[in-house]
Amino acid sequence: DIVMTQSPDSLAVSLGERATINCKSSQSVLYRSDNENYLAWYQQKPGQPPKLLIYWASTREYGVPDRFSGSGSGTDFTLTISRLQAEDVAVYYCQQYYDTPGTFGQGTKVEIK
Amino acid sequence: QVQLLESGGGVVQPGGSLRLSCAASGFSFNNHGMHWVRQAPGKGLEWVAVISYDVRNTYYADSVKGRFTISRDNSENTVFLQMNSLRAEDTAVYYCAKDKRKYHGEFDYWGQGAPVTVSS
Repeated sequence: DIVMTQSPDSLAVSLGERATINCKSSQSVLYRSDNENYLAWYQQKPGQPPKLLIYWASTREYGVPDRFSGSGSGTDFTLTISRLQAEDVAVYYCQQYYDTPGTFGQGTKVEIK
Repeated sequence: QVQLLESGGGVVQPGGSLRLSCAASGFSFNNHGMHWVRQAPGKGLEWVAVISYDVRNTYYADSVKGRFTISRDNSENTVFLQMNSLRAEDTAVYYCAKDKRKYHGEFDYWGQGAPVTVSS
């Protein structure tokens, strides 16, 4: 199975500041035939199911604010929240869907400083 | 709008069985894979099983292989998870999730979750 490792486990950021979450896969999730990275990011707020934010490593899902952006390729990926808002307090997960099982990272909790 | 509504959760003794259902609406059900993902109390997300859009392919996490069975009824727009030989470590909220693609994609819609507690 592909192991997904996120860092940090938690971070506290001031309102309006940048939050950066890293995700590393144990093997490349870049599919050569279509040159796409099979990597997604989800946001989960307390008591709610996860919500898809980013897929193909950098494509924002419809309706997701543009302060959320994804980058990276191969084995190293980043989710950036450019200007943290109060409603962004949540746990964020990366997931690879290159291979089955589609493994998740352990999650990163984002809080307000 | 897309809706996924799970049912069938509850409390069961170790060794017992439960069958979860997920009724889908608002999209072309027979064009998308469907997944079950679980979350133990206070823990992260664990993928459990997937069934392809055409029922031909199913895959399971090692932790549930041989005990859980995923199935779907494309005429009823419903996906199921039959859980047998339940263990305490299966206690979790079980989410059904819609695959954005045929069965190997990201999950663009999730249900609200069905809580399952395995306890004597």
